[in-house]
Amino acid sequence: DTEVTQTPKHLVMGMTNKKSLKCEQHMGHRAMYWYKQKAKKPPELMFVYSYEKLSINESVPSRFSPECPNSSLLNLHLHALQPEDSALYLCASSRSSGGWQETQYFGPGTRLLVL
Amino acid sequence: QQQVKQSPQSLIVQKGGISIINCAYENTAFDYFPWYQQFPGKGPALLIAIRPDVSEKKEGRFTISFNKSAKQFSLHIMDSQPGDSATYFCAARSSGSARQLTFGSGTQLTVLP
Repeated sequence: DTEVTQTPKHLVMGMTNKKSLKCEQHMGHRAMYWYKQKAKKPPELMFVYSYEKLSINESVPSRFSPECPNSSLLNLHLHALQPEDSALYLCASSRSSGGWQETQYFGPGTRLLVL
Repeated sequence: QQQVKQSPQSLIVQKGGISIINCAYENTAFDYFPWYQQFPGKGPALLIAIRPDVSEKKEGRFTISFNKSAKQFSLHIMDSQPGDSATYFCAARSSGSARQLTFGSGTQLTVLP
């Protein structure tokens, strides 16, 4: 099973709202990632968790707050977002953040619209 | 800066034809080169991947050709089908501790029936 699940599929929020995106995998992967993807663009890395610890933050604004409660779950907490934050948010996982054969598996994404 | 340059930006192929997408990189520290296929509204799905000590890898109708000296790699889709219509991203992964993927800009493939 190479499935990464994400909820919700779609999310509409106002600029003053607080919401969370959820990602789950049961492949025993120890690295998990958040990406942001704008239309017709490649995914842009936001955060990397390795063994439940934040290892990479690609200078993401503090209105995005990641959380890794355990090795299977990854959350992205959203607060005071801007309309330009509207995008497809993708979660991915891989076996670990080392080893050349590992592959990143992506979830279906959450389509976020900020009004 | 780590970059992967992908071309063409868009490609239209007749059913049964061969689709070819090219990527080039500069960073010799890349050690793994996957291709992802993405349908509208879906996440990228791993299609095929290659390591730099292999010159070609084939899986079904999909083949990666890899030229280490030229720092180029390409995806060939044989007998292209309308169901192959999607956006394709090449990527490269660094060998450092971060293991991040660097994506190409993407190619929108349309296969005409």
